[in-house]
Amino acid sequence: GAVVSQHPSRVICKSGTSVKIECRSLDFQATTMFWYRQFPKKSLMLMATSNEGSKATYEQGVEKDKFLINHASLTLSTLTVTSAHPEDSSFYICSAGDNYGYTFGSGTRLTVV
Amino acid sequence: DAKTTQPTSMDCAEGRAANLPCNHSTISGNEYVYWYRQIHSQGPQYIIHGLKNNETNEMASLIITEDRKSSTLILPHATLRDTAVYYCIVRVQYGNKLVFGAGTILRVKS
Repeated sequence: GAVVSQHPSRVICKSGTSVKIECRSLDFQATTMFWYRQFPKKSLMLMATSNEGSKATYEQGVEKDKFLINHASLTLSTLTVTSAHPEDSSFYICSAGDNYGYTFGSGTRLTVV
Repeated sequence: DAKTTQPTSMDCAEGRAANLPCNHSTISGNEYVYWYRQIHSQGPQYIIHGLKNNETNEMASLIITEDRKSSTLILPHATLRDTAVYYCIVRVQYGNKLVFGAGTILRVKS
């Protein structure tokens, strides 16, 4: 079945630094990928839709300059959290679509200290 | 996409069938019912989806009412590893973003 690989699984960074999270579709091409964030005991919140070769579409209330998304190839999308602050600490999850629906990565636990 | 309503939580005895309901009274004719689950600190896992006919795979069965306004996900023999949050999502098939509601916390107990 379809596999989506997300790295890193955990990252701790200092406040003010930037962190890049990668999302790769391993055995299929994904023209569209999605990025979610999830706070403890809450549901997944869609942040943005990542389109290969074009600008990402951000959901209302999500700062595009804060969460930079790049989808340069059909198998890779990246999310960069810029100038991270403790309130950006969260669980970030990507997903990619194929002919069978959407497959999710295993998530990235970001802790900003 | 149509909204869904699910119970906040449910308990199920190990080995018994777990029946998780979902209401989607505003579903459109071209919208599918999808079920995903999320085990703690992992990404969501696809379970099953359907349009109007009942569906079954190796993980679960999906029963959709004739008017399509509600559905039930059935895990035939629940195990402790089925403890997770189960999300019922309604959307047009392919290419559309998945919007998650609160889901149902299923606790399987021995």
